[in-house]
Amino acid sequence: DTGVSQNPRHKITKRGQNVTFRCDPISEHNRLYWYRQTLGQGPEFLTYFQNEAQLEKSRLLSDRFSAERPKGSFSTLEIQRTEQGDSAMYLCASSIQGETQYFGPGTRLLVL
Amino acid sequence: AQRVTQPEKLLSVFKGAPVELKCNYSYSGSPELFWYVQYSRQRLQLLLRHISRESIKGFTADLNKGETSFHLKKPFAQEEDSAMYYCALSGRGSQGNLIFGKGTKLSVKP
Repeated sequence: DTGVSQNPRHKITKRGQNVTFRCDPISEHNRLYWYRQTLGQGPEFLTYFQNEAQLEKSRLLSDRFSAERPKGSFSTLEIQRTEQGDSAMYLCASSIQGETQYFGPGTRLLVL
Repeated sequence: AQRVTQPEKLLSVFKGAPVELKCNYSYSGSPELFWYVQYSRQRLQLLLRHISRESIKGFTADLNKGETSFHLKKPFAQEEDSAMYYCALSGRGSQGNLIFGKGTKLSVKP
């Protein structure tokens, strides 16, 4: 296990298309977080899971965004009807409850 | 409002000079404070957290509750310290999601 992995690393899409990102956490970590980072900003929290349960969603997560972690392992983040404002780096992190969050390399999304 | 402020976008120093990256926070309660670092082409990684009181790569940070600050310091900067540094907080006993500052880019010149 070499750490948190994310796929794809880069995604270019046209406005209005749907995109899905995947995050594979460190295997024994029960918590999984999604963050978004735009240029010149720090990461902003989107949502987190404890095992398969989605326990909190930020108000940044509009109705077009949905996240799942069906078996408490990997997670997917889907954006429907993408907009140019969705262009950002999407970061995933995992942790054991209360411990250090380990980040993945991110998925860079560009919406044309 | 919960907020982390890093007033400097860019900090440039010469090798061997002392470094202080500023971080102020606003939080109603007892937060946990962190410094994360991102080296060029690498992922975000934890540098240190205040509860561990460790010194990592020569960096230290002291939580000052009176001034609501958590400044990162190093007495002698090295070129390999050049990176993006983010201060972050989470609420103690909370779900642990992190609130980040906008980051400070540290450039250490030879």
